[in-house]
This record gives sequence, C-alpha cells and structure tokens, in this order.
Amino acid sequence: QQQVKQSPQSLIVQKGGISIINCAYENTAFDYFPWYQQFPGKGPALLIAIRPDVSEKKEGRFTISFNKSAKQFSLHIMDSQPGDSATYFCAASMPGVNALNFGKGTSLLVTP
Amino acid sequence: DGGITQSPKYLFRKEGQNVTLSCEQNLNHDAMYWYRQDPGQGLRLIYYSQIVNDFQKGDIAEGYSVSREKKESFPLTVTSAQKNPTAFYLCASSIVASLNTEAFFGQGTRLTVV
Repeated sequence: QQQVKQSPQSLIVQKGGISIINCAYENTAFDYFPWYQQFPGKGPALLIAIRPDVSEKKEGRFTISFNKSAKQFSLHIMDSQPGDSATYFCAASMPGVNALNFGKGTSLLVTP
Repeated sequence: DGGITQSPKYLFRKEGQNVTLSCEQNLNHDAMYWYRQDPGQGLRLIYYSQIVNDFQKGDIAEGYSVSREKKESFPLTVTSAQKNPTAFYLCASSIVASLNTEAFFGQGTRLTVV
C-alpha cells in the first residue's frame, strides 16, 4: 500500500502565487523526507529535503514545513514561475534503507 | 561527466519476450535502485542493491530480475512473466551512509509492449 499520501493530484497557480503541496505518512520510522521535481521525459531531481529534527527548511523560493506529531509535511513554492511547471513528488525513507517511498505526485502548472 | 546512464531511451518489446534495461553509474555509489513509473502512480520500487552481489526485492518485484556483478552496473530484466510491462523505468543511485542521502536518477527508459 502507499506509505506516503500526496495531495492534490494537480494544481494550477498564477505566476507570482504560492504553490502548496501536502504529504502525509504513517510509518514513524521514516527519518528522511525529500521532495523531487520531474520534467516530462526526464528523471526526477532532488529539490529539497528535511529530517524530522527540524520543523522547517528553506532554500530560495522553496520551503518544507514538517509536522512530526501530525505525520505531515508540505512543500511551499513562493513567487511561483512558469518554469516551475513540473510534477512534484514527496518521498520518505527509513534509516539504513535508502530506498525511497514516493507519493503519487502533483502536476503543477503555473500560468503566466 | 558524473552521472547515471540508462539505455536505451525507448524500447519496444513483443509480448512473451524478455528484455534487459541497462543502468550504469560513475558516481562511485554503493546503492542502486530500479523504479517503475506509471501515470498517476508515482514511483514504485522494483529492486534495490546496497552492495555488489546482493539485492533485495522492492514492492513490485514480480516479473522482474536484476543482477549486481559490478558496482557501476545494475541491469534490470523484464521477463515475460510481467503482466503489464509498458511503463517508464527509472534507475537511481546513492551513497550508503548512516543517514539517508540524495538519490540521483537517470533519464529513464520508456518500455512499450507491442
């Protein structure tokens, strides 16, 4: 079964707006939570990642918010740009097992 | 140029045939992975290997086989036992450390059964 649940499935945001994608997990053994960005026909690339000892991590326009008690984490894209249009995947993994458990993905479209 | 190379980019297979997808990395990573991507399904783990000559089944290993004879290479064979093999296949690698680290992905192989 899907160990990481991601929503929404698709998202349309105007240029300059904030894009928010949410993920939830059940396995409390997870200790690494990355977000990957994928463009059509390409492999995913790491965007930003967080560990559960911090509640927020920011890199440029991208921020991960992490709520350990709720077992939820989210990606915020500030000042969204048309070049951000892509599919975004959240993921999680356990210590010592690098294999990632992925959410089903969110297709983001940023309109001009 | 360091990275992961998957070949071929597109592959067509007749029903009942086995086919092998290539994955090579020059990042000196110990761990390698195979994922399958279907529309709306995310990436699902087929097999992974954390060391040469050892590998483990992932969530959807049935109908697939792998080998890890060299650190740089982790080929995936899609056998005739795989009922629905048409998909986008992604190979990845990472270092193995006490804390999980970034996985680097190849550009994928799109397999179509005709």
